[in-house]
Amino acid sequence: NAGVTQTPKFRVLKTGQSMTLLCAQDMNHEYMYWYRQDPGMGLRLIHYSVGEGTTAKGEVPDGYNVSRLKKQNFLLGLESAAPSQTSVYFCASSYSLAGATEQFFGPGTRLTVL
Amino acid sequence: KQEVTQIPAALSVPEGENLVLNCSFTDSAIYNLQWFRQDPGKGLTSLLLIQSSQREQTSGRLNASLDKSSGRSTLYIAASQPGDSATYLCAVFRPSGYALNFGKGTSLLVTP
Repeated sequence: NAGVTQTPKFRVLKTGQSMTLLCAQDMNHEYMYWYRQDPGMGLRLIHYSVGEGTTAKGEVPDGYNVSRLKKQNFLLGLESAAPSQTSVYFCASSYSLAGATEQFFGPGTRLTVL
Repeated sequence: KQEVTQIPAALSVPEGENLVLNCSFTDSAIYNLQWFRQDPGKGLTSLLLIQSSQREQTSGRLNASLDKSSGRSTLYIAASQPGDSATYLCAVFRPSGYALNFGKGTSLLVTP
């Protein structure tokens, strides 16, 4: 099992450009999450999904959109990138919410917006 | 809002020492608490998961305890090794939320 994988690993954008980050998991998990990690801020939740076709906002959703068309994939989109979105993005997944089982994380995508 | 605090922010110890990392949280209504390890430039690796009904969990040289009523958890690392050098993150899962609330981490350096 590959676990949670993220594509791409690194990306540099110019302000105003758009891009999509892809997260895939092969553990048949229902719940998937996108976090961002910034120095001195810790990890913060951007969006999450409790199942195929459903998404919801987290703590810092502004400037991002997400889609979960397939159970194994969770996409994070930036429509018009801003320097404030320079960060490391982590995707995670878990089997269930009830009882809050262990979350598994991907290796991260390092994004720089110039 | 759940606040998670980790003390100390950084720690340097010589190889072989036993050490304790601390985590505190403001809202005791949690489902569980999870300890992670993060190596520089890498993702998060789950170390231990403690359910709210449990007092502690052990894995090899690691032991994590949970005192929900006081809002505290500790991660005990026995006989530390240079390979333990990493950032250790504590996170709690609340029933009222849908994801983990993270502390800012403790950066550990174990010197040979």
